[in-house]
Amino acid sequence: NAGVTQTPKFRILKIGQSMTLQCTQDMNHNYMYWYRQDPGMGLKLIYYSVGAGITDKGEVPNGYNVSRSTTEDFPLRLELAAPSQTSVYFCASQNAGTGEHEQYFGPGTRLTVT
Amino acid sequence: GNSVTQMEGPVTLSEEAFLTINCTYTATGYPSLFWYVQYPGEGLQLLLKATKADDKGSNKGFEATYRKETTSFHLEKGSVQVSDSAVYFCALLIKAAGNKLTFGGGTRVLVKP
Repeated sequence: NAGVTQTPKFRILKIGQSMTLQCTQDMNHNYMYWYRQDPGMGLKLIYYSVGAGITDKGEVPNGYNVSRSTTEDFPLRLELAAPSQTSVYFCASQNAGTGEHEQYFGPGTRLTVT
Repeated sequence: GNSVTQMEGPVTLSEEAFLTINCTYTATGYPSLFWYVQYPGEGLQLLLKATKADDKGSNKGFEATYRKETTSFHLEKGSVQVSDSAVYFCALLIKAAGNKLTFGGGTRVLVKP
């Protein structure tokens, strides 16, 4: 029962490098989300998607891009990495049609930019 | 806008002690309220929820009651265990706002044997 999976688990980037954080869910959920969690802080929403082909900005979208070509996948792209993007990134999904409201989270990707 | 405020930690307790974590919110609509738990090295898991005023959510011995009059959703457990050591997040969701969760800053709880 995979749920929400994220790769990689850890990554160290140099300033100015780019990378893609992968997120896949196998629950056929229509909504997907990307959050970042800074040390000692709550989660802040970066981007979200209400279905394939539809994405929208969250609270802190600058420096990131997303795409949603399939229901299952929701990759997060970092262009020109900066130290301020050092954080733990969580992907989540939700079946918004059932009225349950529960979001299911992946295990996270810990990113360090130096 | 919407916001969630919860007590800062860390909260350090002995096993079998009573735990309370305060959570208050401000919201522009009628929110659903949640407690999520994050165990070390893991993602967040839903602990309990309440979707309307006076509802009580409960799970694994934890309880929280949706108090609209005080805009609060305090988490309680009568007798904690070492395995309850984690970070606890209070959150709200307003369905009309795209099902986006707004989180509090989290409260780290450490239970000592």
